[in-house]
Amino acid sequence: DSGVTQTPKHLITATGQRVTLRCSPRSGDLSVYWYQQSLDQGLQFLIQYYNGEERAKGNILERFSAQQFPDLHSELNLSSLELGDSALYFCASSALGSSYNEQFFGPGTRLTVL
Amino acid sequence: TQLLEQSPQFLSIQEGENLTVYCNSSSVFSSLQWYRQEPGEGPVLLVTVVTGGEVKKLKRLTFQFGDARKDSSLHITAAQPGDTGLYLCAGAGNTGNQFYFGTGTSLTVIP
Repeated sequence: DSGVTQTPKHLITATGQRVTLRCSPRSGDLSVYWYQQSLDQGLQFLIQYYNGEERAKGNILERFSAQQFPDLHSELNLSSLELGDSALYFCASSALGSSYNEQFFGPGTRLTVL
Repeated sequence: TQLLEQSPQFLSIQEGENLTVYCNSSSVFSSLQWYRQEPGEGPVLLVTVVTGGEVKKLKRLTFQFGDARKDSSLHITAAQPGDTGLYLCAGAGNTGNQFYFGTGTSLTVIP
């Protein structure tokens, strides 16, 4: 158990819909990262937040958005869903925002868009 | 865009054999991490290397960071079935805030 929690574990929805994925980082960790993992694209970095502020952006679509709240939990919002958005979405946390800090990954949310 | 290429993509070996997984890039990374991921779970960090030429050992696993900090290797000695999983390398960009994951190596160790 990494100490990072993600809900829900599974999500099945239809094209065009909007969903929210939730992540609670390890106690004391200020930084949260979101990743998308699919069979053809591998693990792709989406976005990072540090203590409530956006720190880095990766290959995140405009239909996707995220935020980190004062209690440090984070939400990833996916809208106008397409079939290609079906993937595993992982959240990771680390103590600080630098590359030398370990990232601890949550168990992931499996999103299926029908 | 995949900045890190791993080879081989798939590897199936007998218990007790040795193996090496490679992670290559044309980009320089400020640090590089190796993870192992099991089906249905998130990646678990194995090691972080930060200095060019650095070698780290974790029991039967040996990790090396290339002198130019563009590549890395993972060597497993006397593989065991418990080593089965997806091995991922991840490089940190110059800002240190964005991690680029490799294409992954799926290892199966047959008892």
